[in-house]
Amino acid sequence: GAVVSQHPSRVICKSGTSVKIECRSLDFQATTMFWYRQFPKQSLMLMATSNEGSKATYEQGVEKDKFLINHASLTLSTLTVTSAHPEDSSFYICSASGDNSNQPQHFGDGTRLSIL
Amino acid sequence: RKEVEQDPGPFNVPEGATVAFNCTYSNSASQSFFWYRQDCRKEPKLLMSVYSSGNEDGRFTAQLNRASQYISLLIRDSKLSDSATYLCVVNGGGGFKTIFGAGTRLFVKA
Repeated sequence: GAVVSQHPSRVICKSGTSVKIECRSLDFQATTMFWYRQFPKQSLMLMATSNEGSKATYEQGVEKDKFLINHASLTLSTLTVTSAHPEDSSFYICSASGDNSNQPQHFGDGTRLSIL
Repeated sequence: RKEVEQDPGPFNVPEGATVAFNCTYSNSASQSFFWYRQDCRKEPKLLMSVYSSGNEDGRFTAQLNRASQYISLLIRDSKLSDSATYLCVVNGGGGFKTIFGAGTRLFVKA
């Protein structure tokens, strides 16, 4: 089946640090990738849709200057949390699907971000 | 009304029980439907797609009712390892994006 790799799986850093998370589709080309955030005991919240070769589409309430997304190739999207603060601590998950929008999404392993 | 609604549960059932979850969706243009399973502090994993004709995979059966706009998941002979949160996912065309339900928590007890 489709495999999506996410790295790193765990990050602990000081407030003010910028953190980059990578999401790779290993065995298929993903023109679209998605970035989610999940707080404890809450549901997945879509942050943005990452489109290869163009600007990401951000959901309402998500600061695009705070969460920088780059989708430079068909197999790699990155999310950079700039100047992270403790309230940014969360579980960040990426997903990708093939060209057919009706295909299921496949998720990376997630990145647990803790800002001290 | 939420675009995708699920009963959050939790459902507490004994091993061997049969349990069913429903999920309703509001957009009649939705085209594809899935059930995902998410374990605590892990990423969601695709459990099964849901087809109009219904589909079965071992102890799991998924059904779609387009007229009433709901999908269901039936788990037979529950195992302890079935304990997880089950997410209903609805996907549509025409710019309608993938929408995740908030999930239904299941606890299977010995």
